[in-house]
Amino acid sequence: DIQMTQSPSSVSASVGDRVTIPCRASQGISSWLAWYQQQPGKAPKLLIYDASTLQSGVPSRFSGSGSGTDFTLTISGLQPEDFATYYCQQTNSFPLTFGGGTKVEIK
Amino acid sequence: EVQLVESGGGLVQPGGSLRLSCVASGFTFSNSWMTWVRQAPGKGLEWVANIHQGGSEKHYVDSVKGRFTISRDNAKNSLYLQMNSLRAEDTALYYCARDPTRGGGYNFDYWGQGTLVTVSS
Repeated sequence: DIQMTQSPSSVSASVGDRVTIPCRASQGISSWLAWYQQQPGKAPKLLIYDASTLQSGVPSRFSGSGSGTDFTLTISGLQPEDFATYYCQQTNSFPLTFGGGTKVEIK
Repeated sequence: EVQLVESGGGLVQPGGSLRLSCVASGFTFSNSWMTWVRQAPGKGLEWVANIHQGGSEKHYVDSVKGRFTISRDNAKNSLYLQMNSLRAEDTALYYCARDPTRGGGYNFDYWGQGTLVTVSS
């Protein structure tokens, strides 16, 4: 199974900051990676797929990069509604696996 | 508007069974791979199972193989998860989700609100 590691588990930031959230796969997954945002008490929301493709309707301040084993979600200009938990997910092979999540908290 | 509405969760004793349902609307259900993802209280996301449009191909996480069965009824726009031999570690909010890629992209663009399964004596 492919293990997805998200470290740190939380980051503190202020409105307007640029935030980068890393994700590492235990083996190469090409660009088969998705990113989700989850607000408390809500279902996850797809932000990015295929490592860098922005899902329709997602603000352009979100971007994804990376390939192989190392990936990054970047939020350029953090907004109040962006304080949430972010998960990466590999879509390369079964079983599909998620990272443990990174919570973006208010500094 | 795409909607996914889960039901069927509840409190069940260890070793018991439950059948979850997810009714879809707002898109052509028979064109979409569908998935179950769960989230234990206060924990992260775990993919559970998915199923091909026609039901001919299914995949499961190892921890549920032989105990859970995913199925669908395209005439009823419905997805199911039959859960047998339930364990305490199956306690979670269960989401159904749609795969937007007809060939199976294995990411999920629409999610239901979830149905809570609690396994406890």
